[in-house]
Amino acid sequence: EPEVTQTPSHQVTQMGQEVILRCVPISNHLYFYWYRQILGQKVEFLVSFYNNEISEKSEIFDDQFSVERPDGSNFTLKIRSTKLEDSAMYFCASSEEGSGNTIYFGEGSWLTVV
Amino acid sequence: SQQGEEDPQALSIQEGENATMNCSYKTSINNLQWYRQNSGRGLVHLILIRSNEREKHSGRLRVTLDTSKKSSSLLITASRAADTASYFCATDVWRNTPLVFGKGTRLSVIA
Repeated sequence: EPEVTQTPSHQVTQMGQEVILRCVPISNHLYFYWYRQILGQKVEFLVSFYNNEISEKSEIFDDQFSVERPDGSNFTLKIRSTKLEDSAMYFCASSEEGSGNTIYFGEGSWLTVV
Repeated sequence: SQQGEEDPQALSIQEGENATMNCSYKTSINNLQWYRQNSGRGLVHLILIRSNEREKHSGRLRVTLDTSKKSSSLLITASRAADTASYFCATDVWRNTPLVFGKGTRLSVIA
């Protein structure tokens, strides 16, 4: 069964460093998303991406964050200068269409900022 | 906010019993989806129910939706220890709007 894959599974980084989280969405999907989950808290929406541009973003997704689809398969989330409060599980997701279709999530990337 | 809120926050049952989790939300929705998350793992999609549907089944799962009460329930019948996980509802209001998740219900099934 097709799945969303994410790398790395876990990353530890120094505060202020740049981090890139990578995702390979399901191949025929057109909509891509990043969510995050701080330990013990609810899953929060960060950004959605369609047709090579951001379609919606949350207040969390400030200038420190950016997304890119550098080729036909990868979808990345970059955090320019990490802060301690960026420590969380980051989930990539994709769907065949926009809202109304099942959104499939990856296993997540644990980011620990020290 | 259209945020979904699950109830109860935690539920502990014996294997073989049924587990019922509820979700309430605040605004009109397009769809409601239920996800499962094992500890430290990704979100696994369980079932999607559209706003014009009232009930859906998938294996041992039964989901109901009452748009007049802005609530949904997830029933897991004949629970197993492997069902131990957190269960989240997530809603969206219209095409291309993001999913908004509730805080989840932690289900423990004791063998």
